[in-house]
Amino acid sequence: SQKIEQNSEALNIQEGKTATLTCNYTNYSPAYLQWYRQDPGRGPVFLLLIRENEKEKRKERLKVTFDTTLKQSLFHITASQPADSATYLCALVAHGSSNTGKLIFGQGTTLQVKP
Amino acid sequence: EADIYQTPRYLVIGTGKKITLECSQTMGHDKMYWYQQDPGMELHLIHYSYGVNSTEKGDLSSESTVSRIRTEHFPLTLESARPSHTSQYLCASSQAATEAFFGQGTRLTVV
Repeated sequence: SQKIEQNSEALNIQEGKTATLTCNYTNYSPAYLQWYRQDPGRGPVFLLLIRENEKEKRKERLKVTFDTTLKQSLFHITASQPADSATYLCALVAHGSSNTGKLIFGQGTTLQVKP
Repeated sequence: EADIYQTPRYLVIGTGKKITLECSQTMGHDKMYWYQQDPGMELHLIHYSYGVNSTEKGDLSSESTVSRIRTEHFPLTLESARPSHTSQYLCASSQAATEAFFGQGTRLTVV
């Protein structure tokens, strides 16, 4: 069956360190993969999109990698701040269905950055 | 700023009532989605649409129904609400191969 898996355990790190979150998928051939941030009681907010032919994408303190051989994406936040504390979700649309396909989310990983 | 709106934000309703959750977007997006999310739990896709008059069920079975008569409007209806329908419902829209924009959600409580 198709699955998107993220670490269900919360990630606790010290301010200033780099946070690394993992997203693994099985039985998908994604054309692209996205990362979102979700705060309690609110809808997810888009952060980054990476396509299958891209290895890495950066935006300010954020970096995403995409390894289609390992079927894995890593999401990094450098110089983390307490304001980065939130749940981070990965999402994908399967290849060949990007015009009509479903956008499916992983279960998310909660990040807690301590001052 | 995302131009996608959901109403109502909060709804408390009795068992057996019919309800419609509204979702509208002004971005001209073809794709629209409904997700269900319990507190602290993952987002489950229950319905999606890739254009007018197209609707598909998502991965999570739901007793709700949707319609897409106009590009900008994607309402979700529950014919007979039950306590098991208590949850947060999130609507989103996107164009192909781009980010999804989410509404603020409707928190539904069925008593």
